[in-house]
Amino acid sequence: LAKTTQPISMDSYEGQEVNITCSHNNIATNDYITWYQQFPSQGPRFIIQGYKTKVTNEVASLFIPADRKSSTLSLPRVSLSDTAVYYCLVANNNAGNMLTFGGGTRLMVKP
Amino acid sequence: DAGVIQSPRHEVTEMGQEVTLRCKPISGHDYLFWYRQTMMRGLELLIYFNNNVPIDDSGMPEDRFSAKMPNASFSNLKIQPSEPRDSAVYFCASRTTGWGSEAFFGQGTRLTVV
Repeated sequence: LAKTTQPISMDSYEGQEVNITCSHNNIATNDYITWYQQFPSQGPRFIIQGYKTKVTNEVASLFIPADRKSSTLSLPRVSLSDTAVYYCLVANNNAGNMLTFGGGTRLMVKP
Repeated sequence: DAGVIQSPRHEVTEMGQEVTLRCKPISGHDYLFWYRQTMMRGLELLIYFNNNVPIDDSGMPEDRFSAKMPNASFSNLKIQPSEPRDSAVYFCASRTTGWGSEAFFGQGTRLTVV
C-alpha cells in the first residue's frame, strides 16, 4: 500500500497558480494517482487522475515525472472558491486501496 | 442521477441510543464505501461492499458498529449503543468497477451524540 505525503497547508492569493506536490515513493506499477477536493461540510469530490506524464482537464493539471514517485497538482489562477482540502491518493484495482485518504493539504486562498 | 443520497443530514442522539445512517448509491455502481471524518483522525474508511457483499470491515472501530447492504440500492450503518466519541460526519461513497473509476460521495450525515 503506497503511502502519500503532502504538505499540511498552503496559502495563496487570488489569481496565482498553485502547485501542490505529493510524494508516493512506494507506488506500484499498477497504481494510478488521484486527487480529490473537499469543501467544508461536503463530501470529497474527484478532481483529476493520471498514471504518468501530464493530464489536464477543465479544473486542473496533474504532472507525474517518469519515476512516478511524486505528482504535482496544478491549479491555474485560483480564486477564493478554491479554498478547500486537497487529497492525493494512490490506488490500484483494489477498491479499498483507491479510497484510502491521507491528511490532505488545506489550501487557503486570500484576496 | 441525483448522486449518492444520505439520510439524515443531521442526527442528534443521546448516549446509549441506537443510530441508523442510510445511503442510496448511484444506480449501477457496484462498490459502496462508508467513511467517518473527524478533525483528529481525518477521513477513515470504515467498510466497503462489492455487489452488496462486505469486502473489508477492518476499519469498523468496534462491535458497536455494523453495516449492511441488503440490495444494490441501499445500505445502512448502525451504531448501537452510541457514545459521544462517535460524533463525526459519516460519508457514503459509490463507484463502478474498473481501473480508475471515480468515486462519488454523498453530502454526509453529521452525527452528534450527547
